[in-house]
Amino acid sequence: DTGVSQDPRHKITKRGQNVTFRCDPISEHNRLYWYRQTLGQGPEFLTYFQNEAQLEKSRLLSDRFSAERPKGSFSTLEIQRTEQGDSAMYLCASSSTEKLFFGSGTQLSVL
Amino acid sequence: AQSVAQPEDQVNVAEGNPLTVKCTYSVSGNPYLFWYVQYPNRGLQFLLKYITGDNLVKGSYGFEAEFNKSQTSFHLKKPSALVSDSALYFCAGRSFTGGGNKLTFGTGTQLKVEL
Repeated sequence: DTGVSQDPRHKITKRGQNVTFRCDPISEHNRLYWYRQTLGQGPEFLTYFQNEAQLEKSRLLSDRFSAERPKGSFSTLEIQRTEQGDSAMYLCASSSTEKLFFGSGTQLSVL
Repeated sequence: AQSVAQPEDQVNVAEGNPLTVKCTYSVSGNPYLFWYVQYPNRGLQFLLKYITGDNLVKGSYGFEAEFNKSQTSFHLKKPSALVSDSALYFCAGRSFTGGGNKLTFGTGTQLKVEL
């Protein structure tokens, strides 16, 4: 069990560019979550997958955001046409029960 | 809408003294409540959860939390604090029914344990 892995750890991009983050959950976990955390705030829910099905999406997830989980394994979160307000830590978590296991996150900075 | 409040941005306590980190919730129906801890440069780690049963829940590293339905609170406690407990603590909750799998987190409380 290597835990939840997220790649990259840090991403610096220019406004208007597209970025994609990857999350590798714990292998036996069928549930996968994406959260966003800004300084001084708690994590905010973005979206939830059960296996390959995306079952919930937050209103925070604008049309510029898309997430996938092909074959119910790893997941990707893409942000198109990034804006400065997208700068945040993007957290992935996986679970098979109520207990979530979080990755270390991807810190996005939009210049 | 569900919400979780942590009224203290920071809590300072001397090593060996008891600590309390406060949390109140607003969740429809029966709540699922959690505490997570975040150390610098590391992901959030699960401490404990309340789903049903005894109001006093025991978790990792000697922490416990008391569910109080009448006060809608779920305060985190430890009888004797350690310097290594210094970290950022998050309370989180969701509804048992109808809330989906969306966990709502509080804004976090920075715990500082000093010698």
